[in-house]
Amino acid sequence: EAQVTQNPRYLITVTGKKLTVTCSQNMNHEYMSWYRQDPGLGLRQIYYSMNVEVTDKGDVPEGYKVSRKEKRNFPLILESPSPNQTSLYFCASSLSTSGGGSPWWSYEQYFGPGTRLTVT
Amino acid sequence: AQSVAQPEDQVNVAEGNPLTVKCTYSVSGNPYLFWYVQYPNRGLQFLLKYITGDNLVKGSYGFEAEFNKSQTSFHLKKPSALVSDSALYFCAVRPYSGNTPLVFGKGTRLSVIA
Repeated sequence: EAQVTQNPRYLITVTGKKLTVTCSQNMNHEYMSWYRQDPGLGLRQIYYSMNVEVTDKGDVPEGYKVSRKEKRNFPLILESPSPNQTSLYFCASSLSTSGGGSPWWSYEQYFGPGTRLTVT
Repeated sequence: AQSVAQPEDQVNVAEGNPLTVKCTYSVSGNPYLFWYVQYPNRGLQFLLKYITGDNLVKGSYGFEAEFNKSQTSFHLKKPSALVSDSALYFCAVRPYSGNTPLVFGKGTRLSVIA
């Protein structure tokens, strides 16, 4: 089954304790992205990756790091979490090779189930 | 910069009635428009998208959306609502012109009442 998986699904931690949220996809997608969802704000992009070893900042990158050493994995790292990073996090993936006359940014994204993070 | 507005935080509709979830957008040039649905405790699922061509786009679960360039709108519709359609719906936009982040609206919670 084609899917994006995230772990953990729920995490409660304390300020300053480094954590990693893993994301993995089995669709051989080049493009992967992290979003955070906050009430009344919709989804905002944190970081994205066009392919292995290629990452770039989204709209709200402060306080986050990512790496893309393998095509299927795109972990999100919070080196020193703070309470304002309490949120619902989603990983997503899509193709990034244009084909069939449409550019890759017209393709839909596939989302993971989400990770609810609470930082106290 | 592109933006999306979903003017209603909540839409309530009786089961069997038609439903509309509104979305307007702002983007330089032509848009790619998307609708996603989020069921409780689940990730977002793709419903449909407008790329080009016919202004009426049909998607999953009987949903459709109409692209209106003059009104910069992309409203989501369904002729007959089901209780199982109750969820959070997000509209999103990206410009034709290039690789920029997908911008989401704030979401509209649809509640279908039996």
